[in-house]
Amino acid sequence: QSVLTQPASVSAAPGQKVTISCSGSSSNIGNNYVSWYQKVPGSAPRLLIYDNNYRPSGIPDRISGSKSGTSATLAITGLQTGDEADYYCATWDTGLSVLIFGGGTKLTVL
Amino acid sequence: EVQVVESGGGLASPGGSLRLSCVASGFSFNAYSVNWVRQAPGKGLEWVSSISSRRSYIYYADSVKGRFTMSTDSAQNSLYLQMNSLRAEDTGIYYCARGQGGIARDGTADIHFDYWGQGTLVTVSS
Repeated sequence: QSVLTQPASVSAAPGQKVTISCSGSSSNIGNNYVSWYQKVPGSAPRLLIYDNNYRPSGIPDRISGSKSGTSATLAITGLQTGDEADYYCATWDTGLSVLIFGGGTKLTVL
Repeated sequence: EVQVVESGGGLASPGGSLRLSCVASGFSFNAYSVNWVRQAPGKGLEWVSSISSRRSYIYYADSVKGRFTMSTDSAQNSLYLQMNSLRAEDTGIYYCARGQGGIARDGTADIHFDYWGQGTLVTVSS
Protein backbone atom coordinates (compact mmCIF):
# COMPACT_ATOMS: atom_id res chain seq x y z
CA GLN A 1 0.00 0.00 0.00
CA SER A 2 1.46 3.31 -1.09
CA VAL A 3 2.12 6.32 1.14
CA LEU A 4 0.22 8.33 -1.51
CA THR A 5 -3.44 7.40 -1.69
CA GLN A 6 -5.33 7.42 -4.98
CA PRO A 7 -8.76 6.03 -5.80
CA ALA A 8 -8.48 2.64 -7.44
CA SER A 9 -10.74 3.63 -10.30
CA VAL A 10 -12.73 6.48 -11.78
CA SER A 11 -15.03 6.63 -14.76
CA ALA A 12 -16.90 9.16 -16.84
CA ALA A 13 -18.51 9.47 -20.25
CA PRO A 14 -16.76 10.87 -23.33
CA GLY A 15 -16.68 14.64 -23.28
CA GLN A 16 -17.09 14.81 -19.52
CA LYS A 17 -14.60 15.83 -16.82
CA VAL A 18 -12.87 13.57 -14.32
CA THR A 19 -10.65 14.32 -11.36
CA ILE A 20 -8.17 11.99 -9.70
CA SER A 21 -7.02 12.75 -6.18
CA CYS A 22 -3.69 11.98 -4.54
CA SER A 23 -3.49 12.29 -0.77
CA GLY A 24 -0.26 12.35 1.17
CA SER A 25 1.32 14.05 4.17
CA SER A 26 3.54 16.95 5.15
CA SER A 27 6.67 14.89 4.54
CA ASN A 28 5.80 14.32 0.89
CA ILE A 29 3.11 16.30 -0.94
CA GLY A 30 2.96 18.98 1.72
CA ASN A 31 6.55 20.11 1.14
CA ASN A 32 7.46 18.89 -2.33
CA TYR A 33 6.26 19.16 -5.90
CA VAL A 34 3.93 16.60 -7.45
CA SER A 35 4.08 15.04 -10.90
CA TRP A 36 1.52 12.92 -12.74
CA TYR A 37 2.04 10.08 -15.22
CA GLN A 38 -0.16 8.21 -17.66
CA LYS A 39 0.53 4.49 -18.13
CA VAL A 40 -1.09 2.59 -20.97
CA PRO A 41 -0.53 -1.21 -20.92
CA GLY A 42 2.35 -2.12 -23.17
CA SER A 43 3.65 1.44 -23.36
CA ALA A 44 6.14 3.47 -21.38
CA PRO A 45 4.82 5.90 -18.75
CA ARG A 46 4.25 9.43 -20.00
CA LEU A 47 4.73 12.61 -17.97
CA LEU A 48 1.53 14.67 -17.90
CA ILE A 49 2.11 17.23 -15.16
CA TYR A 50 5.21 18.36 -13.26
CA ASP A 51 5.79 20.84 -10.45
CA ASN A 52 2.14 20.49 -9.40
CA ASN A 53 0.57 22.22 -12.39
CA TYR A 54 2.93 22.53 -15.37
CA ARG A 55 2.37 20.65 -18.60
CA PRO A 56 5.29 19.41 -20.71
CA SER A 57 5.28 20.31 -24.36
CA GLY A 58 2.72 18.26 -26.25
CA ILE A 59 0.31 17.69 -23.36
CA PRO A 60 -3.06 19.29 -24.18
CA ASP A 61 -4.51 21.98 -21.93
CA ARG A 62 -7.54 19.85 -21.16
CA ILE A 63 -5.19 18.11 -18.70
CA SER A 64 -4.38 20.11 -15.56
CA GLY A 65 -2.96 19.64 -12.11
CA SER A 66 -3.32 21.37 -8.77
CA LYS A 67 -2.11 21.01 -5.21
CA SER A 68 -3.52 22.14 -1.90
CA GLY A 69 -1.85 21.30 1.38
CA THR A 70 -1.12 17.58 1.45
CA SER A 71 -3.30 16.65 -1.53
CA ALA A 72 -2.97 16.96 -5.27
CA THR A 73 -5.50 16.59 -8.05
CA LEU A 74 -5.31 15.72 -11.74
CA ALA A 75 -8.21 16.92 -13.89
CA ILE A 76 -9.01 15.82 -17.42
CA THR A 77 -11.78 17.55 -19.34
CA GLY A 78 -13.30 16.65 -22.69
CA LEU A 79 -12.65 12.95 -22.04
CA GLN A 80 -11.73 10.79 -25.00
CA THR A 81 -11.60 7.02 -25.30
CA GLY A 82 -7.87 7.37 -25.78
CA ASP A 83 -7.58 8.68 -22.23
CA GLU A 84 -8.31 5.23 -20.84
CA ALA A 85 -5.19 4.34 -18.89
CA ASP A 86 -3.73 4.13 -15.41
CA TYR A 87 -2.71 7.42 -13.81
CA TYR A 88 -0.07 7.83 -11.11
CA CYS A 89 0.92 10.73 -8.89
CA ALA A 90 4.48 10.94 -7.61
CA THR A 91 6.55 13.05 -5.28
CA TRP A 92 9.62 12.98 -3.08
CA ASP A 93 9.29 12.02 0.56
CA THR A 94 11.67 14.18 2.56
CA GLY A 95 11.55 12.05 5.70
CA LEU A 96 12.24 8.77 3.91
CA SER A 97 14.54 10.20 1.17
CA VAL A 98 12.70 8.21 -1.46
CA LEU A 99 10.53 8.97 -4.43
CA ILE A 100 7.05 7.58 -4.08
CA PHE A 101 4.31 6.81 -6.57
CA GLY A 102 0.66 6.63 -5.69
CA GLY A 103 -1.03 3.29 -6.07
CA GLY A 104 -2.50 4.30 -9.42
CA THR A 105 -6.00 5.04 -10.67
CA LYS A 106 -7.62 3.24 -13.57
CA LEU A 107 -9.61 5.62 -15.74
CA THR A 108 -12.48 4.15 -17.73
CA VAL A 109 -14.19 6.24 -20.38
CA LEU A 110 -17.67 4.79 -20.57
CA GLU B 1 15.90 13.54 -30.12
CA VAL B 2 16.08 12.43 -26.49
CA GLN B 3 16.16 8.66 -26.11
CA VAL B 4 16.87 6.16 -23.38
CA VAL B 5 17.08 2.49 -24.29
CA GLU B 6 17.23 -0.33 -21.74
CA SER B 7 18.68 -3.78 -22.17
CA GLY B 8 19.88 -6.70 -20.09
CA GLY B 9 16.63 -8.14 -18.83
CA GLY B 10 15.95 -11.83 -18.81
CA LEU B 11 15.38 -14.86 -16.60
CA ALA B 12 17.28 -15.24 -13.36
CA SER B 13 17.05 -17.71 -10.52
CA PRO B 14 16.17 -16.60 -6.99
CA GLY B 15 19.39 -15.47 -5.37
CA GLY B 16 20.93 -14.82 -8.77
CA SER B 17 22.11 -11.65 -10.48
CA LEU B 18 21.38 -9.56 -13.54
CA ARG B 19 22.86 -6.33 -14.86
CA LEU B 20 20.60 -3.89 -16.65
CA SER B 21 21.93 -1.20 -18.96
CA CYS B 22 20.43 2.03 -20.24
CA VAL B 23 22.00 4.03 -23.06
CA ALA B 24 21.04 7.69 -23.29
CA SER B 25 21.24 9.94 -26.32
CA GLY B 26 20.09 13.35 -27.43
CA PHE B 27 20.97 15.22 -24.23
CA SER B 28 23.89 16.11 -22.01
CA PHE B 29 24.08 12.97 -19.88
CA ASN B 30 25.60 14.47 -16.73
CA ALA B 31 23.22 17.44 -16.67
CA TYR B 32 20.24 15.32 -15.65
CA SER B 33 19.43 12.73 -13.06
CA VAL B 34 18.89 9.20 -14.35
CA ASN B 35 16.55 6.78 -12.71
CA TRP B 36 15.10 3.28 -12.61
CA VAL B 37 11.40 2.59 -12.11
CA ARG B 38 9.77 -0.84 -12.26
CA GLN B 39 6.34 -2.33 -12.62
CA ALA B 40 5.56 -5.81 -11.37
CA PRO B 41 2.88 -7.79 -13.25
CA GLY B 42 -0.54 -6.38 -12.40
CA LYS B 43 0.95 -3.82 -10.00
CA GLY B 44 1.66 -0.11 -10.04
CA LEU B 45 4.79 1.86 -10.75
CA GLU B 46 7.55 1.56 -8.15
CA TRP B 47 10.59 3.80 -7.99
CA VAL B 48 13.81 1.78 -7.66
CA SER B 49 16.77 4.15 -7.66
CA SER B 50 18.08 7.53 -8.78
CA ILE B 51 21.44 9.13 -9.35
CA SER B 52 21.51 12.91 -9.26
CA SER B 53 22.85 15.21 -11.93
CA ARG B 54 26.62 15.66 -11.57
CA ARG B 55 26.39 12.20 -9.94
CA SER B 56 26.70 13.54 -6.40
CA TYR B 57 24.02 11.39 -4.81
CA ILE B 58 22.49 7.95 -5.28
CA TYR B 59 19.20 6.94 -3.71
CA TYR B 60 17.57 3.53 -3.43
CA ALA B 61 14.15 2.23 -2.47
CA ASP B 62 14.21 0.27 0.78
CA SER B 63 13.05 -2.82 -1.12
CA VAL B 64 16.32 -2.97 -3.10
CA LYS B 65 18.84 -1.28 -0.79
CA GLY B 66 21.86 -3.46 -0.18
CA ARG B 67 21.04 -5.71 -3.16
CA PHE B 68 20.96 -3.35 -6.14
CA THR B 69 23.74 -0.97 -7.17
CA MET B 70 23.36 1.87 -9.63
CA SER B 71 26.30 3.23 -11.59
CA THR B 72 27.03 5.36 -14.64
CA ASP B 73 29.64 5.59 -17.38
CA SER B 74 29.65 9.13 -18.72
CA ALA B 75 31.96 8.24 -21.61
CA GLN B 76 29.34 5.77 -22.83
CA ASN B 77 26.30 7.86 -21.78
CA SER B 78 25.19 4.77 -19.94
CA LEU B 79 23.44 3.87 -16.74
CA TYR B 80 23.61 0.46 -15.10
CA LEU B 81 21.70 -1.42 -12.44
CA GLN B 82 23.51 -4.36 -10.91
CA MET B 83 20.88 -6.54 -9.30
CA ASN B 84 22.08 -9.20 -6.83
CA SER B 85 20.28 -11.57 -4.47
CA LEU B 86 17.25 -11.44 -6.74
CA ARG B 87 13.84 -12.37 -5.37
CA ALA B 88 10.59 -13.37 -7.05
CA GLU B 89 9.15 -9.98 -6.11
CA ASP B 90 11.80 -8.27 -8.25
CA THR B 91 10.03 -9.62 -11.34
CA GLY B 92 8.71 -6.90 -13.60
CA ILE B 93 9.45 -4.43 -16.33
CA TYR B 94 12.30 -2.08 -15.50
CA TYR B 95 12.21 1.39 -17.01
CA CYS B 96 15.05 3.84 -17.34
CA ALA B 97 13.97 7.48 -17.15
CA ARG B 98 15.63 10.86 -17.46
CA GLY B 99 14.96 13.06 -14.48
CA GLN B 100 14.48 16.78 -14.16
CA GLY B 101 14.64 18.89 -11.04
CA GLY B 102 16.32 17.96 -7.81
CA ILE B 103 16.42 18.69 -4.11
CA ALA B 104 16.90 22.32 -3.10
CA ARG B 105 18.91 23.47 -0.10
CA ASP B 106 15.73 23.88 1.93
CA GLY B 107 14.91 20.21 1.22
CA THR B 108 12.12 20.89 -1.23
CA ALA B 109 12.18 18.50 -4.17
CA ASP B 110 10.77 18.95 -7.66
CA ILE B 111 11.89 15.64 -9.16
CA HIS B 112 10.03 14.34 -12.20
CA PHE B 113 10.79 11.99 -15.08
CA ASP B 114 10.31 13.40 -18.56
CA TYR B 115 11.69 10.75 -20.92
CA TRP B 116 11.24 7.02 -20.46
CA GLY B 117 12.53 3.97 -22.24
CA GLN B 118 10.31 1.11 -23.38
CA GLY B 119 11.54 -1.08 -20.53
CA THR B 120 13.26 -4.42 -20.15
CA LEU B 121 11.61 -7.45 -18.59
CA VAL B 122 13.18 -9.15 -15.59
CA THR B 123 11.81 -12.51 -14.50
CA VAL B 124 13.03 -14.13 -11.29
CA SER B 125 11.91 -17.74 -11.13
CA SER B 126 13.27 -21.20 -10.51
